[in-house]
Amino acid sequence: EAQVTQNPRYLITVTGKKLTVTCSQNMNHEYMSWYRQDPGLGLRQIYYSMNVEVTDKGDVPEGYKVSRKEKRNFPLILESPSPNQTSLYFCASSPRDSTYEQYFGPGTRLTVT
Amino acid sequence: GENVEQHPSTLSVQEGDSAVIKCTYSDSASNYFPWYKQELGKGPQLIIDIRSNVGEKKDQRIAVTLNKTAKHFSLHITETQPEDSAVYFCAARGNSGYSTLTFGKGTMLLVSP
Repeated sequence: EAQVTQNPRYLITVTGKKLTVTCSQNMNHEYMSWYRQDPGLGLRQIYYSMNVEVTDKGDVPEGYKVSRKEKRNFPLILESPSPNQTSLYFCASSPRDSTYEQYFGPGTRLTVT
Repeated sequence: GENVEQHPSTLSVQEGDSAVIKCTYSDSASNYFPWYKQELGKGPQLIIDIRSNVGEKKDQRIAVTLNKTAKHFSLHITETQPEDSAVYFCAARGNSGYSTLTFGKGTMLLVSP
């Protein structure tokens, strides 16, 4: 089944404790992206990747890191999480770029206390 | 960068009625306008999209119109059904970033039986 998977689905952590949210797709897509969703703010893009070793900032990249060492994986790294990063995070992928349908993962709900 | 405004934030209709959601964008060079539907507890899913060289597109009960002069586009759902209840997001791909997609804040549509 073609899909985007994220892990973990739920995470509660404390301020400053490094964490990684994994994202994997099995559709051989070139483009992958991370979004955060907050009430009243909609979806905001954090980072995206056009292909292996090619990443770029979205609209809200502060406090996040990403890497794309393999085509199928695009982990999101929070080196020192803060409470304002409490949010619902979505990973997405598409065949080439953002002008193609993006397939979203199920989301990761992160709480930073 | 691109700015997308979406209205209304909530919309309640009776089953069988039509629903219209409107979005405006700021970047006149934007060329791709997708609409995503997000059901409770799930990631967004593309329902229809339109490119800047087309004024209207229809898929069964769903249609999207684009007015490039006025920089706005709209989603039209006819003969609404309870399963249409969800949050709907419009988006636009601006010209400032190579592959960033800017979303509106979302519209919660409630269709009552």
